Amino acid sequence: GAGVSQSPRYKVAKRGQDVALRCDPISGHVSLFWYQQALGQGPEFLTYFQNEAQLDKSGLPSDRFFAERPEGSVSTLKIQRTQQEDSAVYLCASSLDGGLQTGANVLTFGAGSRLTVL
Amino acid sequence: GENVEQHPSTLSVQEGDSAVIKCTYSDSASNYFPWYKQELGKGPQLIIDIRSNVGEKKDQRIAVTLNKTAKHFSLHITETQPEDSAVYFCAASPGSARQLTFGSGTQLTVLP
Repeated sequence: GAGVSQSPRYKVAKRGQDVALRCDPISGHVSLFWYQQALGQGPEFLTYFQNEAQLDKSGLPSDRFFAERPEGSVSTLKIQRTQQEDSAVYLCASSLDGGLQTGANVLTFGAGSRLTVL
Repeated sequence: GENVEQHPSTLSVQEGDSAVIKCTYSDSASNYFPWYKQELGKGPQLIIDIRSNVGEKKDQRIAVTLNKTAKHFSLHITETQPEDSAVYFCAASPGSARQLTFGSGTQLTVLP
C-alpha cells in the first residue's frame, strides 16, 4: 500500500478487557516495529519483527502484551486484561530493512491507534 | 541504555524567523540521528537525518548539526511558515532502527 495503515484508529476499552490492534505495513517492507506513545511524550520501542520473526521484544512492558506477524506482513498487537496505564497511542512503523547502514532503512509510521482504558 | 533529552518543550516564533531545537544523548555508540515531525492525529514523519560521519546536513529550509564530542545535535528551521507548526522529535540510535530512542518532543508554533 501507499503507507502504513493501522486499525482501529480509536479504541475505548473497559479495564480488564482484551484489545487487538492491527498494522498493515508498506508492501515489501521487511521490518516492522511497534512503539507506544504516551500523551506528551516521544514514542517508546515495544517490539520488532523481521519478516515473521520477532527478533526483539524487550520493550513490551508486561506479559499482557503480545505481538505477532505470522505471514511476515500484517501484524497484530494484543493487550490482555487492559489497565489504565495502557492508555496511549500505539504506533506501527515499517522499513525496507531494519538496519540503518543504508538509505533504504527509513522508518515510515502509521497514524497510530489511540487506546483509552476506562 | 540510551537517554535522549530535548529542549525546549515548547517554542513559539514569528513567521519568517528561525527556530532551533536541541537534543543531547548519552550513548557514545549512537551514530544515527533522525528528526521527526508529528502533526495532530498523525504518525511521526521523518524530515531529516544525520549520521556520525557528517557534521551538518541541509535540506532546503531545514538543517541539522551534530557535535559528537559534546554528544548533542540540533535542528534548525529557517524562514518558518505556519505549516511548520507541529511537534518535533529527535532520536538517536547506535545503528539499528529497532534501537531508536526518542526525545520528549518540542511543540513548535509559528505565529502568522
